[in-house]
Amino acid sequence: EVQLVQSGGGLIQPGGSLRLSCAASGFSVSHNYMSWVRQAPGKGLQWVSVIYSGGTTHYADSVKGRFTISRDISKNMFFLQMNGLRAEDSAVYFCARDYPSSPGFFDPWGQGTLVTVSS
Amino acid sequence: DIQMTQSPSSLSASVGDRITITCRASQGINNWLAWYQQKPDKAPKSLIYAASSLQSGVPPRFSGSGFGTDFTLTISSLQPEDFATYYCQQYNTHPPTFGGGTRVEIQ
Repeated sequence: EVQLVQSGGGLIQPGGSLRLSCAASGFSVSHNYMSWVRQAPGKGLQWVSVIYSGGTTHYADSVKGRFTISRDISKNMFFLQMNGLRAEDSAVYFCARDYPSSPGFFDPWGQGTLVTVSS
Repeated sequence: DIQMTQSPSSLSASVGDRITITCRASQGINNWLAWYQQKPDKAPKSLIYAASSLQSGVPPRFSGSGFGTDFTLTISSLQPEDFATYYCQQYNTHPPTFGGGTRVEIQ
C-alpha cells in the first residue's frame, strides 16, 4: 500500500526551529517528487516546498531562506526543517507525493501534523 | 502566481442532489487541474487529476471537466459521505496554487 506517515510538529516559540518527518511506504522517495503543503487553522491549502527525484528543491516565497526540504533515501523518508519560525507559520503541515503520471497532483497525503508557533 | 477562484464558497444540498462546483484560473492552465475532498481534521483526499481523470477508488458519481481557465466538479447524486470541503488546484505553473474551497453542507 502506498502510504505516508508523518511525525514531528508541536508547540514552538517564535524564532525557534522544528523538523517534520514523513516516512514513505509502497514506493521510493528517490524516484518521486515529494512535497509539503500546509493549512493554517480554518484556512485553505498552501503549497510549501518540493524536492524532485533528482534532488532539486523549490520553496514558496513565504518560507524561502527559512525552510529546507531534504530526504534520506536509505530510510525512505523526507523532511522539512523549519527555522526562524513565525506566528504565521502556524498550520497543519501535510506531506504528499506528486502523482508519478501527473506531477503536481498530490497523492497520497500524510495524515498531517500541527505546528503552533507561539510564546 | 496563478489565482484559483472557486464558487460558491459554500452550498447546502440534500442526499441525492446533483451539485456542481466551479473553479476559475486567473490564466490558462491547459488541463492541469486537480480536485480534492477534505473532511474536518483529515488530510485531503485526491479525487480528480488532469481536469477529468478519476483517481483510482473514487466513485463514478464524481466527474470533472474543463480546459484553459474554467473547470467544474460535479457530483451526480450526493451521498452522506460527500458532505465535506472541496478544493481545486492548478499545477500547470509553479508554484501550484489552490482555490479557497467549497463547503458542501447538508440541507
